[in-house]
Amino acid sequence: RKEVEQDPGPFNVPEGATVAFNCTYSNSASQSFFWYRQDCRKEPKLLMSVYSSGNEDGRFTAQLNRASQYISLLIRDSKLSDSATYLCVVERGYQLIWGAGTKLIIKP
Amino acid sequence: ETGVTQSPTHLIKTRGQQVTLRCSSQSGHNTVSWYQQALGQGPQFIFQYYREEENGRGNFPPRFSGLQFPNYSSELNVNALELDDSALYLCASSLVPVGGINTGELFFGEGSRLTVL
Repeated sequence: RKEVEQDPGPFNVPEGATVAFNCTYSNSASQSFFWYRQDCRKEPKLLMSVYSSGNEDGRFTAQLNRASQYISLLIRDSKLSDSATYLCVVERGYQLIWGAGTKLIIKP
Repeated sequence: ETGVTQSPTHLIKTRGQQVTLRCSSQSGHNTVSWYQQALGQGPQFIFQYYREEENGRGNFPPRFSGLQFPNYSSELNVNALELDDSALYLCASSLVPVGGINTGELFFGEGSRLTVL
């Protein structure tokens, strides 16, 4: 089993839809959690940090459930520009462990 | 732009050769980490350098080595290249080293795409 697992994707959704990404992690000692976004053939960029209380940034909402070792990302009112791969990232000591990513394709 | 620059952007090598990849970190950042990203996969941690010292290493063999210089720029060296080393190599700089609850944002360069034939 991988240390960080994400939905395999791709997700094909119409513009304006709400889409949810799920991620599970295996190391209960992890303390920092992130969602990064990676456009095709580009470098990853931080989308959001994920806090225990949940956090929201505009159309994006991230949730953390430590008991279930589960992280989620919700995108509301999706835009064409949201098309990208979304990577779940979990801290483990001095390194970040990355999921394989879930590709999102927004259709007009 | 992140201010992190990598060179070269693309290169082709043959099995058994050696390669050096370079990274200039963002101004004010004293930590650099290197990642290998194969096609369709998430980045895999290679190692992290903090103030010129390696302070963390992933599951990569010793033929992957690195350096960080006094200006916090960094190099990744790979000896005895294998076909499986073909990947995008990403350098990331950060204000503080990755670790615990204070882990912050990583700023990535655009990567060096290595093809081993």
